Formats: sequence, C-alpha cells, structure tokens
Amino acid sequence: DAKTTQPTSMDCAEGRAANLPCNHSTISGNEYVYWYRQIHSQGPQYIIHGLKNNETNEMASLIITEDRKSSTLILPHATLRDTAVYYCIVRASNTGTASKLTFGTGTRLQVTL
Amino acid sequence: NAGVMQNPRHLVRRRGQEARLRCSPMKGHSHVYWYRQLPEEGLKFMVYLQKENIIDESGMPKERFSAEFPKEGPSILRIQQVVRGDSAAYFCASSPQQDLPDTIYFGEGSWLTVV
Repeated sequence: DAKTTQPTSMDCAEGRAANLPCNHSTISGNEYVYWYRQIHSQGPQYIIHGLKNNETNEMASLIITEDRKSSTLILPHATLRDTAVYYCIVRASNTGTASKLTFGTGTRLQVTL
Repeated sequence: NAGVMQNPRHLVRRRGQEARLRCSPMKGHSHVYWYRQLPEEGLKFMVYLQKENIIDESGMPKERFSAEFPKEGPSILRIQQVVRGDSAAYFCASSPQQDLPDTIYFGEGSWLTVV
C-alpha cells in the first residue's frame, strides 16, 4: 500500500471547518483513500473513503486532487467532540494481505472554544 | 444492527497467566482483524482471519500469541504466559468482504493489564 504523510497536529476553533490534508504521492490507480479517527480511549471510527471523485457523507467531505496524489478531509463545522487523531490510509484491495488497514501516526486535531 | 462486540472490555491478568479476548463481528461480516495499541503508541496490525482460516498473520508475535475464528462463535485472540509488555488495548475489526471498496468497522477494544 502507498505511504501517506499527514501533519502531526492541527488546531481548529469550534464551529469552523477543519481541513485535514494528506499526501499520498505514490498511490496506485486501484488504491482507495480511507479516513478513520480515534477519539481517546475508543476504537477507531470509520469516516469516509474515496477513489478519485469527491465524496460527502453525514460526517465529512473528502476532496481528492485530480492527480490523486493528495486529499483533504473536511469537517464542515467542528465541535469539541471532533477532537481526535485522524488517520489517512491508502488501501489497495479487500482480499488477501493487502486487505488490512495500515495506520500511520495520523493528525492530532484539537478543537478549541 | 449491533456493531463489533468485544469482551471483556477490561481484563487484569497476573504475569504467566493466559488472556483470552473475544470478538463478535458485525452481522453478515465474515472477516476479522485484530490490532494492538500499546500505551501512547499507534495501532499495529496483528492478524486477519476469515472463518476457519488465517489469511495474514504478519503482525503476530512469534510466540505466545494465537488467533482463531471458528465456523461458529466469536473470534478469539489468545495470549499465553502474559508479560507486562502485553499490557495494551486490543481492537478487533470486521468487514463483509464485498466487492471493493468495503468498509472495516472497529470495536471498542479490550484493555489488558498485566500485573
């Protein structure tokens, strides 16, 4: 799976949009971008995934650049409960050894009043 | 639809004892993953199982650790002769293994403390 690079930490004011960047410059054509988050002492929570088109769900939006070498996760109106470590993961397949999610160090998002 | 269920949520074992952690995947999911998170560290993949088969155990320690996912019942992660360094959060995840992209969902974890 392609390696991802994320900033170590970010701050965001409550009510503002949180934009979390991720670089995946070695991504292959069949690899998806997944985002998870882990709130302290909880299990990782699935947020969203995409291949090449922008995606939106009730939690967030995912913007993938045309060349697919980077993406941005957008939390439109961050709240204190969005404080967590956010992981950007590239995943090639749902079969065999490529199926697993490989977590990096992620971005620690702190939402403040 | 219940999520991934793990139990026990908290387990205390003395050094040398055995720890058994159980994971019931989401309904309709036939694939299970186990991850370990040491204190203040990241999530590390341990093993990936389908029913009655181990698909990828590249992250499992060579000794004392084993995992199974029988035809009936939950997946079990077994740690024999626990040591203090096994103290960690163990997370189970499951997926339906439909056509890509499927989504992997995690449980809330089992916290093992070895005293």
